[in-house]
Amino acid sequence: DTEVTQTPKHLVMGMTNKKSLKCEQHMGHRAMYWYKQKAKKPPELMFVYSYEKLSINESVPSRFSPECPNSSLLNLHLHALQPEDSALYLCASSQIWTRSALPSSYNEQFFGPGTRLTVL
Amino acid sequence: GIQVEQSPPDLILQEGANSTLRCNFSDSVNNLQWFHQNPWGQLINLFYIPSGTKQNGRLSATTVATERYSLLYISSSQTTDSGVYFCAVERLNSGGSNYKLTFGKGTLLTVNP
Repeated sequence: DTEVTQTPKHLVMGMTNKKSLKCEQHMGHRAMYWYKQKAKKPPELMFVYSYEKLSINESVPSRFSPECPNSSLLNLHLHALQPEDSALYLCASSQIWTRSALPSSYNEQFFGPGTRLTVL
Repeated sequence: GIQVEQSPPDLILQEGANSTLRCNFSDSVNNLQWFHQNPWGQLINLFYIPSGTKQNGRLSATTVATERYSLLYISSSQTTDSGVYFCAVERLNSGGSNYKLTFGKGTLLTVNP
């Protein structure tokens, strides 16, 4: 099973709302990612969790708050967003590759279907 | 950081035609992936191919790591092949994965019936 699921598919929120995006994978991957994608652009990395700990925060504004409750789940909490935050939010997961690992291990990332967010 | 350039930026085909998409990258890489993003936004894994050649049905890919490029071939194209094709690369650091896939800007493919 190479499936990453995301809910909701679509979300419309006002600038004063609080909402959460959810992501789940059951591939045993220990790295999980949040990306933001604007129209006609490639995905941009926001956060990376490895072994349920935040490894990378790409200088994302604090109105985006990630959470990794366990190895299968990843949340993105949203608060006081701006209209320019409207975008497709993608979750991804991968194994964790180390140089001591077997050659068959690699960092192939698998993406969920995304949440299309509109901020009014 | 690594630069990734994809060409062409846009491609329009008639159904049944063949095409070649190119990805050039500026440094040696440990991970190279080709994705297809469908009109609904889903990024679908096509190939993990840091080197060598792979085939999957009408699609095949070749990466020549020493010359820093990868090619994606689509044969007998169908309307369902329409969408954006992204190449993404990663260069590992001394400890292992740095988790950062660098994406090209993509090739927008339109296949007309």
